Amino acid sequence: SQQGEEDPQALSIQEGENATMNCSYKTSINNLQWYRQNSGRGLVHLILIRSNEREKHSGRLRVTLDTSKKSSSLLITASRAADTASYFCATALKAAGNKLTFGGGTRVLVKP
Amino acid sequence: DGGITQSPKYLFRKEGQNVTLSCEQNLNHDAMYWYRQDPGQGLRLIYYSQIVNDFQKGDIAEGYSVSREKKESFPLTVTSAQKNPTAFYLCASRATSTGTYNSPLHFGNGTRLTVT
Repeated sequence: SQQGEEDPQALSIQEGENATMNCSYKTSINNLQWYRQNSGRGLVHLILIRSNEREKHSGRLRVTLDTSKKSSSLLITASRAADTASYFCATALKAAGNKLTFGGGTRVLVKP
Repeated sequence: DGGITQSPKYLFRKEGQNVTLSCEQNLNHDAMYWYRQDPGQGLRLIYYSQIVNDFQKGDIAEGYSVSREKKESFPLTVTSAQKNPTAFYLCASRATSTGTYNSPLHFGNGTRLTVT
């Protein structure tokens, strides 16, 4: 299985609700990054959280990292239809050189 | 505006033909990457390059080749040896001068390759 695995695979919510998705990984990391992908487009970087950090915020996004559980969560508050996209976590592994490993993503649908 | 340009957006080829996907960046980034994405899946690393005239295989390099003759350009050739080449191909770059791992990837908008 992949280093980073997102859960759930798909999420459907109403506009204004919060969306939470999780990412689990297996080995030690330098940092964990979240990306968004709109349909048919490239990925856009959202947030990077280092292994010695526990929480970061960016606008309506909140990311937590629990290295003891090897997991991270991404919370989108007060979701909008424009938040409809796939969200991927990517881990920078200590043992894997200068590259990131991506999970399979969570597809989020925000209904107006 | 700085960014990464992938061309073409859509590409159609017959089985048995080699095809080259273009990736150009004007971000002055040292490192460049090629990923493959299959429907509903995550990204898998094909090749990456941290410096001009040097590149390394990723997790699924078989059937692909790359070159890095200029800092700005990292073309990917999908050869006839690639058994299942139909996929969405994404190029990315990163400014490794900001630290070994602590810099985000910047992506192009991808090339969708269909081989029949």
